[in-house]
Amino acid sequence: DGGITQSPKYLFRKEGQNVTLSCEQNLNHDAMYWYRQDPGQGLRLIYYSQIVNDFQKGDIAEGYSVSREKKESFPLTVTSAQKNPTAFYLCASSIGTAGNEKLFFGSGTQLSVL
Amino acid sequence: RKEVEQDPGPFNVPEGATVAFNCTYSNSASQSFFWYRQDCRKEPKLLMSVYSSGNEDGRFTAQLNRASQYISLLIRDSKLSDSATYLCVVIVYTGNQFYFGTGTSLTVIP
Repeated sequence: DGGITQSPKYLFRKEGQNVTLSCEQNLNHDAMYWYRQDPGQGLRLIYYSQIVNDFQKGDIAEGYSVSREKKESFPLTVTSAQKNPTAFYLCASSIGTAGNEKLFFGSGTQLSVL
Repeated sequence: RKEVEQDPGPFNVPEGATVAFNCTYSNSASQSFFWYRQDCRKEPKLLMSVYSSGNEDGRFTAQLNRASQYISLLIRDSKLSDSATYLCVVIVYTGNQFYFGTGTSLTVIP
């Protein structure tokens, strides 16, 4: 079955540590996105990529980094510069063409600080 | 001003009730509109697209009003299983940006 796989489901970060969240899709979608969700704040865009080897900052990119070396994969690194990383992280993808933009989400990663 | 605004609720309604949510958007260039459902600590899932002509899927009806820049979701004959957070999503084609409302919480009470 096609879909988006995020791992791990739960992740704990120690102070000063970088951690990487995995996102893989087999939907053959061009566009991929990372969102952060905090209680009562909805989804906020961290980074997005519309094509391999290209990505753009979203609204809250500071303290995060991404790569898009393969169409299927869009990992997110939460760096030590992100001082408040505790949140629910959602990866999503879409076909990326106008008129066919539905977003499909992975099951999310809950990141907490030790 | 936020791109998309939703009343966060919570809406607590008895089983069988009809409930409606509205969502307003600020960018008149917005092109596509959706309602997503999100259960606690799960990913959002597409509920339905929203068209100017209105569309219905069983107990759910979605409507778009471009003149007033809002979309609505009507749920008839509420079920306990409808309890969730409902997110409206607006797409502006420039930059292929998706804008999310903060979500409206619905609890259906037996």
